Amino acid sequence: DGGITQSPKYLFRKEGQNVTLSCEQNLNHDAMYWYRQDPGQGLRLIYYSQIVNDFQKGDIAEGYSVSREKKESFPLTVTSAQKNPTAFYLCASSIDGGGGDIQYFGAGTRLSVL
Amino acid sequence: AQSVSQHNHHVILSEAASLELGCNYSYGGTVNLFWYVQYPGQHLQLLLKYFSGDPLVKGIKGFEAEFIKSKFSFNLRKPSVQWSDTAEYFCAVTPSGNTGKLIFGQGTTLQVKP
Repeated sequence: DGGITQSPKYLFRKEGQNVTLSCEQNLNHDAMYWYRQDPGQGLRLIYYSQIVNDFQKGDIAEGYSVSREKKESFPLTVTSAQKNPTAFYLCASSIDGGGGDIQYFGAGTRLSVL
Repeated sequence: AQSVSQHNHHVILSEAASLELGCNYSYGGTVNLFWYVQYPGQHLQLLLKYFSGDPLVKGIKGFEAEFIKSKFSFNLRKPSVQWSDTAEYFCAVTPSGNTGKLIFGQGTTLQVKP
């Protein structure tokens, strides 16, 4: 069953803690993305990667970090520097990251602060 | 900065009513345009897209959208909504030839009453 798998579905973070959200795809896509979804604000791009071992900051990268060591994996770490991490996080992938690409999304991870 | 604006944040309709959701973007060049939909409990998925050609595009489940370049608009329409159309709808834009970075609107929540 091809697609994008995000885990966990729900995640709780304590003050001062870093947490990592997992995103795996088996679509053989080169490009992967992380978005943050807040009510009334749509989706905002955190980081994206068009190829293994390379990634770029999106519009709201502060307080987040990523890695792209494997084509199928693009984990997102929410660091303690992110002061308002409570949100719904969506991972997506596309064939090669070009402007005409259709992005395919995972089911999301809902992060809350304890 | 490039932006996408969706005018209706929350729309409530009765079944069989007609739907039009507004979307305007701010970018002077050539763009690729998308509507994505998020049904309750499901992944965000593509509803329809416009890259070039006929400005009236048809998508899944009877939806269509019209690109009006002079108005920088890409409004979504459906002649007769169903209860199953209850979802959140997102308009998104990426400049043609860009890296595939989608710029999303704020989203419109559609509630269809049976």
